[in-house]
Amino acid sequence: AQSVTQLDSHVSVSEGTPVLLRCNYSSSYSPSLFWYVQHPNKGLQLLLKYTSAATLVKGINGFEAEFKKSETSFHLTKPSAHMSDAAEYFCVVSSLYSSASKIIFGSGTRLSIRP
Amino acid sequence: GAVVSQHPSWVICKSGTSVKIECRSLDFQATTMFWYRQFPKQSLMLMATSNEGSKATYEQGVEKDKFLINHASLTLSTLTVTSAHPEDSSFYICSAIRDRDYNEQFFGPGTRLTVL
Repeated sequence: AQSVTQLDSHVSVSEGTPVLLRCNYSSSYSPSLFWYVQHPNKGLQLLLKYTSAATLVKGINGFEAEFKKSETSFHLTKPSAHMSDAAEYFCVVSSLYSSASKIIFGSGTRLSIRP
Repeated sequence: GAVVSQHPSWVICKSGTSVKIECRSLDFQATTMFWYRQFPKQSLMLMATSNEGSKATYEQGVEKDKFLINHASLTLSTLTVTSAHPEDSSFYICSAIRDRDYNEQFFGPGTRLTVL
């Protein structure tokens, strides 16, 4: 079975300060993990992905995430928030190569940036 | 590369009518596409997996007679909402897999359906 939990429904930070969006997962198989961003009334854009290569994954727009198997976490970070980062962020776990192939979306974290 | 389009981007229809939404992979072939719906301020919910040349696989609780999926070619999947009702109003998003080795989905921009 697979599941993904985004621990915070809403995160608010000041512009220029670090961002941390938390994601924990469970999977019976070797998972692939993704972070997507969605701006209002828009589709999803891939920020970064982990597919069993390097555990520290760098993505677009200065975001990165670290896969920690011992903690079953895949938290998203950015050193310095920008106003344009305000959006909804989704952590996704998938494993399409098992008999129980599933794509599971987290509940989402809304990121607000204070001027 | 790996662009997915959806048409229309928004549609308003009367209750009882049927609405077709198209999902196209523009620059790659997609043997598998997925359909999601998203309610306001909520996450995406997988509705069904669409496989080219075969019947779609629906998630539990999704009415297959209500949401008809046809994946007739390697670049096109369609979702038809039959006899639409106001509770079907939602944001519908499709995605496609280009390379199964990476489990990565490429998402369309979504279709906003409003049923009056």
